[in-house]
Amino acid sequence: GAVVSQHPSRVICKSGTSVKIECRSLDFQATTMFWYRQFPKQSLMLMATSNEGSKATYEQGVEKDKFLINHASLTLSTLTVTSAHPEDSSFYICSAPGRFTDTQYFGPGTRLTVL
Amino acid sequence: GDSVTQMEGPVTLSEEAFLTINCTYTATGYPSLFWYVQYPGEGLQLLLKATKADDKGSNKGFEATYRKETTSFHLEKGSVQVSDSAVYFCALRSYGKLTFGQGTILTVHP
Repeated sequence: GAVVSQHPSRVICKSGTSVKIECRSLDFQATTMFWYRQFPKQSLMLMATSNEGSKATYEQGVEKDKFLINHASLTLSTLTVTSAHPEDSSFYICSAPGRFTDTQYFGPGTRLTVL
Repeated sequence: GDSVTQMEGPVTLSEEAFLTINCTYTATGYPSLFWYVQYPGEGLQLLLKATKADDKGSNKGFEATYRKETTSFHLEKGSVQVSDSAVYFCALRSYGKLTFGQGTILTVHP
């Protein structure tokens, strides 16, 4: 089946630095990708919808200048957490819709820890 | 707004035990309902879905019925296996957006 990969799987950084997370669709093209954030023992919260060739659409309450999203090609979307702080520590997951209605393929997630 | 509430875990069972993970939802419109499963180190995978009231989704021995009157979509399996150990997420899709429950960790012991 379709596979979505994320890189890195785990990253630890110092406060104030920026971190880039990549999301790739490995065997299909995705004009749209979704970025989620998951806190421990909580549900996945949609952060933004990444659109190839145009600006991302952010959910209410998500700072677009802090979470920069670039969908540079039909197989790659990146999320950059700028000037990261400890409260940004979380599990970030991306997904891409499949060809059929209601199909979503999820990446394995990226664990970000900001010291 | 839309919301999904799942039974809190973790849930620990012995092999061949009966499994129920409760899920209730609040939504506008007529949502589709899903159960996703996440095995260690992997991304969420669709386990089953139901798109309208009274539909039953089933896969790999798991079942869930879309109950509009009780706004529920409880996941059941008659006899769990060790390989079923994973995190299970209930979700709804309404107006193109997925809303997830908080996930339930299931551990099955031999």
